[in-house]
Amino acid sequence: DVKVTQSSRYLVKRTGEKVFLECVQDMDHENMFWYRQDPGLGLRLIYFSYDVKMKEKGDIPEGYSVSREKKERFSLILESASTNQTSMYLCASNDGPYGYTFGSGTRLTVV
Amino acid sequence: DAKTTQPNSMESNEEEPVHLPCNHSTISGTDYIHWYRQLPSQGPEYVIHGLTSNVNNRMASLAIAEDRKSSTLILHRATLRDAAVYYCILRGNNAGNMLTFGGGTRLMVKP
Repeated sequence: DVKVTQSSRYLVKRTGEKVFLECVQDMDHENMFWYRQDPGLGLRLIYFSYDVKMKEKGDIPEGYSVSREKKERFSLILESASTNQTSMYLCASNDGPYGYTFGSGTRLTVV
Repeated sequence: DAKTTQPNSMESNEEEPVHLPCNHSTISGTDYIHWYRQLPSQGPEYVIHGLTSNVNNRMASLAIAEDRKSSTLILHRATLRDAAVYYCILRGNNAGNMLTFGGGTRLMVKP
């Protein structure tokens, strides 16, 4: 089975810190995605990537950046964390038109 | 993106079949119908997808109306572990077509 691993399950960071959320997939998938999930707002796409060193903005990219230096790894970066970025962050990967595989999520709290 | 409409919540008894409806009256000819579910405190999980014909897999069955304007996810025997939010999503056939999540249906399973 495809596995998508997110490095941390829970994370607490201070306002203004630079935060790195890491995601690794083990099935050589071309596409990788970062979503955030908030109560009442559902899952929203932040950034995605079709290939190494390639990135595209999703619906809510403000305050975030991403890095994909290797095919299997897609990092989400909060340049200067703010309290409104407290959320559940979900990474996913897929190939072509097939189903996405999601990680278990990182619950980030910014204090 | 074409939208889907699902009931906010449904209830089922354990070991009985569950039929989760989804309306997608503006579906285009190349849109696939995807279903995902999200168990508490986990990332979404792919369940099934189809284009025109009914589909079966080990998790569920997908019944697609002849005009493709609606579909039904069928869980043949609900268990307590099936309690989750179920998302019906339309996705184009190109790799560039994203998954856009709506509110989904919260399925509650009673023992």
